[in-house]
Formats: sequence, C-alpha cells, structure tokens
Amino acid sequence: QVLLQESGPGLVEPSGTLSLTCAVSGGSISSSNWWSWVRQPPGKGLEWIGEIYHDGPSNYNPSLKSRVTMSVDKSKNQFSLKLNSVTAADTAVYYCARVGSTAFDLWGRGTLVTVSS
Amino acid sequence: QSALTQPPSASGSPGQSVTISCTGTSSDIGGTYNYVSWYQHHPGKAPKLMIYEVRKRPSGVPDRFSGSKYGNTASLTVSGLQAEDEADYYCSSYAGSNKVFGTGTKVTVL
Repeated sequence: QVLLQESGPGLVEPSGTLSLTCAVSGGSISSSNWWSWVRQPPGKGLEWIGEIYHDGPSNYNPSLKSRVTMSVDKSKNQFSLKLNSVTAADTAVYYCARVGSTAFDLWGRGTLVTVSS
Repeated sequence: QSALTQPPSASGSPGQSVTISCTGTSSDIGGTYNYVSWYQHHPGKAPKLMIYEVRKRPSGVPDRFSGSKYGNTASLTVSGLQAEDEADYYCSSYAGSNKVFGTGTKVTVL
C-alpha cells in the first residue's frame, strides 16, 4: 500500500520561502507516475500547484510558475516543493498527490502552512 | 487558467439523488481528452478519487456515484444518498499540460 506524507515548517515569514517534502512509502517514486502538489486556502477550494516526473520534467500552474520549484530525490524516495516570496495569500493546507494515469488517485493527509510574522 | 465552475451547494434527503455540475471551456472539459475526475473531501481528511475519465469508478467506490459529460460541462450524480456522502466535492480536468480544479460543491444530506 503506497502512502504519501507531507512534512515541513508550519509557519513561514512573509517574503520567505515555503519548503515542503512528500515522502513516498510502500512504492517507488520512479514508477510511471507524475507527483503533484495541491493546496487549499482556508475556506476556499483546491488549487493545483504543479507536478513533477521522477526524471525531471515538470508542469506548473501558470499563476504560480514564477515562484515555484519542484524536485525529486530518488535516494530518499521523496519529492519537494519550494514556493518563494510568500504572502498571507499562500496560507493553506498543502497536499501532495500521486497522479495515476489521468487523475489524482492517492493523496497525503495534508499539512497546514501559515504565512505570518 | 480559471477554476471550473460548480454550484456552491447541493442537498438531498437520504435515498434521493443529487447531481453536481462542473462547467469549463473547450480548453479543459470540452477539450480533446476526456480527463475529468471527481473528488470527495471530508474536512480534515485527504481528498478521495471518486470518478476518473468522466465516468470510470476506481475500485471500492460504490456504483451510486456516476459521472457524465456533455460539451464543456461535466456532472457527478450521487444516487441513493447516504449520510456519509455529506462532504465537499471537486471536479478536475486536464487543461493542456496543466490541471485545474472546480470551485467545489458542498453536499448536504438533509
């Protein structure tokens, strides 16, 4: 059974960089899947941030593209998200998810990141 | 890339049916690929895939959940509503090399 677990600081200062990691257990990150990040601001809906494949290709939400970087660490079987120049608008629950052939078929439980000084 | 449009809320009594719409454009839902999916989200929990490729159900999802699409609008129908169906539901679609979610619909079981 494949499980995803997000981790990272729960509090980030404005203008700083949000950094999260998603650990993949019970399966290999090098499988034929894309790995994605999705977020949900308080009281709002889901927003796709972007996705990455194990050997490097990535796609990012055009509205966040200038601030997002995703990477894969095969040795640790995990993938990561960096979002820079954060503001209060980036406060959200951040989920990592596996993209099955055409849909997000596996999700982590999410981690709340608050942007505040 | 704008969010797909869903009604904010929908409701039904136990045993009844409820249908949620998800409206996009020819660049996403109405595009070449039928890659529309639906997710059930109970607050505080991980979202759960309920429907993929417009109408396919993953293993373990009850056949009370069904999906369809016509033009730029996709729909999710929950038949025989049960108390545990009360949740937020989100549609999603491929949009070229990107993905987009719907605005979300809160389903209430009366």
